[in-house]
Amino acid sequence: GNSVTQMEGPVTLSEEAFLTINCTYTATGYPSLFWYVQYPGEGLQLLLKATKADDKGSNKGFEATYRKETTSFHLEKGSVQVSDSAVYFCALSDRVDTDKLIFGTGTRLQVFP
Amino acid sequence: GAGVSQTPSNKVTEKGKYVELRCDPISGHTALYWYRQSLGQGPEFLIYFQGTGAADDSGLPNDRFFAVRPEGSVSTLKIQRTERGDSAVYLCASSGRADTEAFFGQGTRLTVV
Repeated sequence: GNSVTQMEGPVTLSEEAFLTINCTYTATGYPSLFWYVQYPGEGLQLLLKATKADDKGSNKGFEATYRKETTSFHLEKGSVQVSDSAVYFCALSDRVDTDKLIFGTGTRLQVFP
Repeated sequence: GAGVSQTPSNKVTEKGKYVELRCDPISGHTALYWYRQSLGQGPEFLIYFQGTGAADDSGLPNDRFFAVRPEGSVSTLKIQRTERGDSAVYLCASSGRADTEAFFGQGTRLTVV
């Protein structure tokens, strides 16, 4: 069945460091791919998405490229801030019958000044 | 309100009791989803409504779990004979239609003691 695997955390970085959080997926067909973020005390928010191969999603300085050949959707940011500290979830939707999301286990990012 | 509202925010119940969790979606959203998030895990799909009908209930773990959405707006997730393993954060999300962004509520933290 469809699944998402993302790197375990926590990821600990200093402010202005480069961030990569790896995400790979298994799916039949052509899923849509998402990154959601959960800030402390808040609900899940969509960070970015890509709906087809080679699409790049971007928002708030974060980027991820839909790579069908490597079944990956790695999240990157060139210079993290303390305010980026949160839990990040990679997810897919197979869009066959419904748009239900299949999530990875989440990666906690901690950014220190 | 402007976002998805879930009540209560916290619920503690004794093993064997019945509980109801409520979700108020964004006004006008026809698609509504329930997810369950256990500690240290990503959200897991439970059930999806399109309007009043449950279009996909494949994620409900067993027949102790049931959800309704009688008027196509508010939804209630019902859990009978609660077990300690049911302890989790129950998330609700809604979208304008099945293929648009889903907005999440802050969840109900259920603790079964």
